Amino acid sequence: EPEVTQTPSHQVTQMGQEVILRCVPISNHLYFYWYRQILGQKVEFLVSFYNNEISEKSEIFDDQFSVERPDGSNFTLKIRSTKLEDSAMYFCASSGRLGRLAKNIQYFGAGTRLSVL
Amino acid sequence: QQQVKQSPQSLIVQKGGISIINCAYENTAFDYFPWYQQFPGKGPALLIAIRPDVSEKKEGRFTISFNKSAKQFSLHIMDSQPGDSATYFCAASRQGGSEKLVFGKGMKLTVNP
Repeated sequence: EPEVTQTPSHQVTQMGQEVILRCVPISNHLYFYWYRQILGQKVEFLVSFYNNEISEKSEIFDDQFSVERPDGSNFTLKIRSTKLEDSAMYFCASSGRLGRLAKNIQYFGAGTRLSVL
Repeated sequence: QQQVKQSPQSLIVQKGGISIINCAYENTAFDYFPWYQQFPGKGPALLIAIRPDVSEKKEGRFTISFNKSAKQFSLHIMDSQPGDSATYFCAASRQGGSEKLVFGKGMKLTVNP
């Protein structure tokens, strides 16, 4: 069964450093998302991406964050200067297959645990 | 208005029992209500979903009940099994736009053998 793949599974970084979290969405999916989950809290929407541009972003997604789909298969989340409060599990999701009215069904990756020290 | 409120926060049931998780929402524009199941170390996985044009949807041991007037929906797990032990999130989204999911806080279910 196709799945969303995220790398790395765990990223440890120093405060102020840049990190790039990588995702390979399900092939032929059109809509891409990043969510985060701070330990013990709910999953929160960060950003959605469609047709090579951001379609919506949350208040959390400030100027320190950016997303990119550099090569038609990967979908990345970059945090330019990490803060302690960025420590969380980051989930990538994708949805919408060509020719199917399945836009709402989002499939999640296993996540990248980001630890900012 | 974007919030989805979920209760209880945790639940312990015996094998064979019924697990019930409740969610409430405010935004009447929401028109898609999925339930996600998450095991430790894994991402959320879609379990079952409902749209507001039906009041109930059943898939195997899992049933969603939807009350549009009360803006509430619930997940019932019949004949709960130890393998059902996981965290369950309700969510909501609105067709059109990004269709981002708004999640509830989650409920940790423990099914004792």
